Amino acid sequence: GQQVMQIPQYQHVQEGEDFTTYCNSSTTLSNIQWYKQRPGGHPVFLIQLVKSGEVKKQKRLTFQFGEAKKNSSLHITATQTTDVGTYFCAGKAAGNKLTFGGGTRVLVKP
Amino acid sequence: GAVVSQHPSRVICKSGTSVKIECRSLDFQATTMFWYRQFPKQSLMLMATSNEGSKATYEQGVEKDKFLINHASLTLSTLTVTSAHPEDSSFYICSARPLRTSGGADTQYFGPGTRLTVL
Repeated sequence: GQQVMQIPQYQHVQEGEDFTTYCNSSTTLSNIQWYKQRPGGHPVFLIQLVKSGEVKKQKRLTFQFGEAKKNSSLHITATQTTDVGTYFCAGKAAGNKLTFGGGTRVLVKP
Repeated sequence: GAVVSQHPSRVICKSGTSVKIECRSLDFQATTMFWYRQFPKQSLMLMATSNEGSKATYEQGVEKDKFLINHASLTLSTLTVTSAHPEDSSFYICSARPLRTSGGADTQYFGPGTRLTVL
């Protein structure tokens, strides 16, 4: 079945630094979504990417969908303590359910 | 907009009892609602997909007689954990997919979750 993997599993970042988390699917996706879950909270929808090679920005967050529509990345610049949480990607292949990756748990060192 | 509520937020029950969890889309109509289960520090595992007025579709390995889903309207879905046992203790999260959304056709909005503890 469809598998979605995220790396790294944990990301310790110094405040002010940049980092990237990666998402890879075993199958070609029709779209990919990113969610953020704060500690003790629930997933909050961030963005959806649909087109091959698509790049979208939300302030310090840059999301990219790979040309082959099998991978995606989230790049955060100038990390802040408010960025703490787990970032999940979720991929959907045509006709299939949304499959969540394992998440990248981000800890920010002040 | 796009608020999803869940009730209760936390429940503790004795082994053998049944627990009902409600998921409501407060300011939109949802064609489809999803039920997930999340273990500590792990990802979300889809349990079932429910469409209003039809039977839920359960994922492989999820017992439909154990986890009863009723999608009574375009704004309400319920999950009943029947004869709960300690291994059913988990964080249950619902999500709802709006009829119309600017985020994309597959956008889902999550409820705050229900933490179930079975003693």
